[in-house]
Amino acid sequence: GESVGLHLPTLSVQEGDNSIINCAYSNSASDYFIWYKQESGKGPQFIIDIRSNMDKRQGQRVTVLLNKTVKHLSLQIAATQPGDSAVYFCAEAAGNKLTFGGGTRVLVKP
Amino acid sequence: SAVISQKPSRDICQRGTSLTIQCQVDSQVTMMFWYRQQPGQSLTLIATANQGSEATYESGFVIDKFPISRPNLTFSTLTVSNMSPEDSSIYLCSVERPGSVYEQYFGPGTRLTVT
Repeated sequence: GESVGLHLPTLSVQEGDNSIINCAYSNSASDYFIWYKQESGKGPQFIIDIRSNMDKRQGQRVTVLLNKTVKHLSLQIAATQPGDSAVYFCAEAAGNKLTFGGGTRVLVKP
Repeated sequence: SAVISQKPSRDICQRGTSLTIQCQVDSQVTMMFWYRQQPGQSLTLIATANQGSEATYESGFVIDKFPISRPNLTFSTLTVSNMSPEDSSIYLCSVERPGSVYEQYFGPGTRLTVT
C-alpha cells in the first residue's frame, strides 16, 4: 500500500550502520519527548521516551538525546537492520496530549 | 499492551457522504484519542474522548464535522461528515498505556479516500 512517508524526508542507511534521526520541537513546557515508529499500513508504535529533565536515555539499540537549549531531539539506532525501515516521528507530551513532529522515513539498504 | 482494532480498514467514499469509523479496545480505558494523518504527513490530534462526556476537540476540528461517540470504556466511533476530497487521510484511534499519562497505543488506522 501507499507509504505514509511518501513525502517525508528520507534517510537512506546501509544495513549495519548507525542511523541518526533529528527532530526540532517547539514547546519548552513539554514534560516528555517520545519517539514512535510507523511501518507501512500500521499505527505508530512506541520506541523510547525521555523526560524533560534528562539529556540522554538508552534502550535496546536505540539512544535518545535531548538538547533543551536548542529544542532538539535525536534518535540514534545502532547497527540498523532491515526491520528498522519505517517512518519515525518524534512527539512532545504536555499532560496527556501528544503533539507529533514531521517525521523521517528511514530506508535500510542491504 | 492494549490491542486496538479499527473498522473499516479502508474505504473509498463519494463526496458529500459520511463515514463512521469504529475503534475497539480489548481492555477498559478512560481516554481515547482520534488522530488524522494526511498523505505524507504527521499525525494531528482531532479530539479526546472520555466515556460519559462530550469529546474535547482541538483547534481546527469541530463536532459537526467530526462527531464522536464514546458509549463505553472499550469502544468509540468517529464520523467524518459531508466528506470532501480534502478529508482523504488515515484516521487513527489511540488509548493511553495504563499507568502513563503520555504513552499511547495506536490502532492500525482507517485509510479513507474521498472521490
